[in-house]
Amino acid sequence: GENVEQHPSTLSVQEGDSAVIKCTYSDSASNYFPWYKQELGKRPQLIIDIRSNVGEKKDQRIAVTLNKTAKHFSLHITETQPEDSAVYFCAASEGYTGNQFYFGTGTSLTVIP
Amino acid sequence: EAQVTQNPRYLITVTGKKLTVTCSQNMNHEYMSWYRQDPGLGLRQIYYSMNVEVTDKGDVPEGYKVSRKEKRNFPLILESPSPNQTSLYFCASSFGTGSIEQYFGPGTRLTVT
Repeated sequence: GENVEQHPSTLSVQEGDSAVIKCTYSDSASNYFPWYKQELGKRPQLIIDIRSNVGEKKDQRIAVTLNKTAKHFSLHITETQPEDSAVYFCAASEGYTGNQFYFGTGTSLTVIP
Repeated sequence: EAQVTQNPRYLITVTGKKLTVTCSQNMNHEYMSWYRQDPGLGLRQIYYSMNVEVTDKGDVPEGYKVSRKEKRNFPLILESPSPNQTSLYFCASSFGTGSIEQYFGPGTRLTVT
């Protein structure tokens, strides 16, 4: 089955700096790569996703890049704010005919005011 | 309001006492899933369903059962809970093929003593 690895496990940045979280996956059949944000005591919420026919996607301060050849994808958060502090999870899925998802182990991001 | 609901939100039980965690969605989603979340392990898929009466094992199905008799409901059954099933459980749903962005329920914290 698929194996998704996520790094780093913890990340601290100063407010206004950028944060980058990286994930690798093993199954070349994976085509859909979502990122979730989970605040303390809350449910995971989708913040951005990308499909394999796209190399980069941006939504305001958040962007995701995908290198399908190298089997890795990254989340970029620019101009970080204290409310960005949360645990972030990447995931991978075949994305078209199935509903199996494989998650990374999470990155705890702390934005220091 | 479009939502995924889970009940109960918190449950403390004893080893061997059968229990059911309910999950319901009001968005007419075809796909539903159950996950467990444990510290340092991220989210791991237990079971998933792509339609009524269609269920498949995820990564960690041992000790769990599910059923999908109606489109909106996807209960998780623990026939004989054990302490290693103490965890935070999330239900999730998505529209289906071509639109698999997942919406998560609020979570159920289960403790088995």
